[in-house]
Amino acid sequence: GAGVSQTPSNKVTEKGKYVELRCDPISGHTALYWYRQSLGQGPEFLIYFQGTGAADDSGLPNDRFFAVRPEGSVSTLKIQRTERGDSAVYLCASSLTLGKAGGPTDTQYFGPGTRLTVL
Amino acid sequence: LAKTTQPISMDSYEGQEVNITCSHNNIATNDYITWYQQFPSQGPRFIIQGYKTKVTNEVASLFIPADRKSSTLSLPRVSLSDTAVYYCLVGALNNDMRFGAGTRLTVKP
Repeated sequence: GAGVSQTPSNKVTEKGKYVELRCDPISGHTALYWYRQSLGQGPEFLIYFQGTGAADDSGLPNDRFFAVRPEGSVSTLKIQRTERGDSAVYLCASSLTLGKAGGPTDTQYFGPGTRLTVL
Repeated sequence: LAKTTQPISMDSYEGQEVNITCSHNNIATNDYITWYQQFPSQGPRFIIQGYKTKVTNEVASLFIPADRKSSTLSLPRVSLSDTAVYYCLVGALNNDMRFGAGTRLTVKP
């Protein structure tokens, strides 16, 4: 079946502009995650959703970053007043659930990412 | 959140067995150990997960000692296509788990 898709694959913008990054998770997956990855670093957790609600947004770096998942499927990561330091690959992942207490976690399936460049 | 420590990089040759060890001294009772692989320009991909002792699948084996304070990912007979970054994560639920810098494995001909 279809995997996680992300659009656009590349986004170039100017400092101060607003951008939206879209993630289409695997159908039926209730949990959705956003990560940011800089060159040579591992993915950095930003936020995750369980259904429609943002269950943990502790990784969002500041209030310029916001994410929504209004119908519990597609999610959009929104970045206001972009800065050059926001340049990175933004990864989305989904999993069937978070896992079960006392049991294994569910596999996270990652999309190919959106490469954001802020000039 | 359990912190993990892995070597920054490793080199190997085709056909060799590669073992990557991850330290997680403050692992909690309910935490599972999960390894992901990431190729350039792709998102990470699940390799293997375990709780204790040994787990084996078609790609790798995972060895976890009794105290669970470390784990070793074993890749048998690596090929050039196994060149990637390998991440060790520890957590009870997905939202507990955090990626570190990973181990950059380079397989040489």
